[in-house]
Amino acid sequence: GESVGLHLPTLSVQEGDNSIINCAYSNSASDYFIWYKQESGKGPQFIIDIRSNMDKRQGQRVTVLLNKTVKHLSLQIAATQPGDSAVYFCAEKTGGGNKLTFGTGTQLKVEL
Amino acid sequence: DADVTQTPRNRITKTGKRIMLECSQTKGHDRMYWYRQDPGLGLRLIYYSFDVKDINKGEISDGYSVSRQAQAKFSLSLESAIPNQTALYFCATSDPPGTEQFFGPGTRLTVL
Repeated sequence: GESVGLHLPTLSVQEGDNSIINCAYSNSASDYFIWYKQESGKGPQFIIDIRSNMDKRQGQRVTVLLNKTVKHLSLQIAATQPGDSAVYFCAEKTGGGNKLTFGTGTQLKVEL
Repeated sequence: DADVTQTPRNRITKTGKRIMLECSQTKGHDRMYWYRQDPGLGLRLIYYSFDVKDINKGEISDGYSVSRQAQAKFSLSLESAIPNQTALYFCATSDPPGTEQFFGPGTRLTVL
């Protein structure tokens, strides 16, 4: 079956550095991707999304890059802060409806 | 997100017991979802409902049932709980044409 996976289960960065979290997907028909942030004890929260007709989308301190050639998605966080410490999930949507397939998550740890 | 609430937040039960997890939303969204989260496996879809008269199985529906009592309420039941159903359970909502899903705070269920 199709899957969404992450390259690294844990990423440690220094406060103030940029963070890059990667995600590989295998369904070339996926047309929409989302990044979620999940803090300890809370439900996932939307960060940013991108449609398959785009290569890049920017938000506040976050940028998502989509490389459809190699089926790769990344989330870049600029000037990483302690409050960015969380698990980050990518999710993809394929076909009709709003069903999402989630990756396994990357734990981001921000070191002071 | 206070717009999506789940009760209870924590529950410990014994094998064979019937358990119901409740989800309520004030977002006015038609679409609601139940997910299960296990360590290292990300979020997996159990059931989803696109409106009050629509119920659909997700990828791991065996051992679970749902009831959409109203637009704002979507309940998940475990008819006879077993230990491997110990997990975090999340409810989510979305509203077409948007694809973003809004998550509740989660219910931690332990089956002894």
